Amino acid sequence: SAVISQKPSRDICQRGTSLTIQCQVDSQVTMMFWYRQQPGQSLTLIATANQGSEATYESGFVIDKFPISRPNLTFSTLTVSNMSPEDSSIYLCSVGGAGGETQYFGPGTRLLVL
Amino acid sequence: SQQGEEDPQALSIQEGENATMNCSYKTSINNLQWYRQNSGRGLVHLILIRSNEREKHSGRLRVTLDTSKKSSSLLITASRAADTASYFCATDAWRSGNTPLVFGKGTRLSVIA
Repeated sequence: SAVISQKPSRDICQRGTSLTIQCQVDSQVTMMFWYRQQPGQSLTLIATANQGSEATYESGFVIDKFPISRPNLTFSTLTVSNMSPEDSSIYLCSVGGAGGETQYFGPGTRLLVL
Repeated sequence: SQQGEEDPQALSIQEGENATMNCSYKTSINNLQWYRQNSGRGLVHLILIRSNEREKHSGRLRVTLDTSKKSSSLLITASRAADTASYFCATDAWRSGNTPLVFGKGTRLSVIA
């Protein structure tokens, strides 16, 4: 199993600002995933972050809005840029799933944009 | 697009009763996983069932998988108030070596003491 921590756990931000969310894993992993969960909704994959390469974004998500860094095998950041109230969500990072194995999730970052 | 669809969307039962949640999906999968989420917090992994398995147990949880019908069910027996949460099924979306999960919309379970 993997132990994943995220910072911050929650934040309240003003529209037009940006927030960077950190994700730390207790072991080296090749792939890390970032998900968004809008209020009352399910999880939607934002992007897959591989160390040493550009992140792969899902349809509807772009790098300018959600830049991702992956400087090493245990850490990643997701930035929510130029925020609007529609960005109010829980953002979760996740690891695992290789070879069809269990995927583990961080505790999430609850973001409220005013 | 959403891969999994759970039903019911919401379920309310009395403590001690069994709760059954269903999940349907659209494409072939390698495995299906069930997760629990309490009050908008992080996801807790409950159980993984592979495409070549039909049934799996873990404590009070029983998961079935019917790949011919592309469906799965999660049964929680002898439910407790602490089981109150949202439950999601998720399937792997094998693509170019990546295996991110695709989540269903979830079932909100309320267990009344």
